[in-house]
Amino acid sequence: SQQGEEDPQALSIQEGENATMNCSYKTSINNLQWYRQNSGRGLVHLILIRSNEREKHSGRLRVTLDTSKKSSSLLITASRAADTASYFCATDGGGNTPLVFGKGTRLSVIA
Amino acid sequence: SQTIHQWPATLVQPVGSPLSLECTVEGTSNPNLYWYRQAAGRGLQLLFYSVGIGQISSEVPQNLSASRPQDRQFILSSKKLLLSDSGFYLCASPSDSSYGYTFGSGTRLTVV
Repeated sequence: SQQGEEDPQALSIQEGENATMNCSYKTSINNLQWYRQNSGRGLVHLILIRSNEREKHSGRLRVTLDTSKKSSSLLITASRAADTASYFCATDGGGNTPLVFGKGTRLSVIA
Repeated sequence: SQTIHQWPATLVQPVGSPLSLECTVEGTSNPNLYWYRQAAGRGLQLLFYSVGIGQISSEVPQNLSASRPQDRQFILSSKKLLLSDSGFYLCASPSDSSYGYTFGSGTRLTVV
């Protein structure tokens, strides 16, 4: 079953602008992860935030996590055309339980 | 570094034909393997996962089956494909370095 729900489903911005994508989930988590998928390719792991963390940075990526609201956001600053891709959140319930992915946000960055 | 090989990259099969997709993993110490399916423009649906040889857990009852004949090999099969089996099939394994998953490049299956 899908737990993460990304919002918006699609986002189109100009190069240089910031892109914000949101993810909501339903059950308790061990960590939450964000992935990127270029068209027709496999997913690539971007960043992981643990349930006891509130914010994490990696290069132009900033992830926040609010466990009380069961939500996370991914911010891409100073976007580039090469950031055009689909972005997915995935929740990890811990142990051997598989990741549960959301439906994704399709980001288009226009040069 | 960890690498996941999937083949073929694309496949067009008629309804009622059998299916065999193979996934092999290199460079990891984690035995867990996963098959996900992605319908066009949709998220990933977990189909099967395996924690070791011969150990398969099915998440969605359907026309597909999986096997783990060797530690580094995970196979997705069907005896008779349905139109609804079309999609993008991805194999994944936990990464040793990032705590996330490493994915293969996927197989795009079109059932006609």
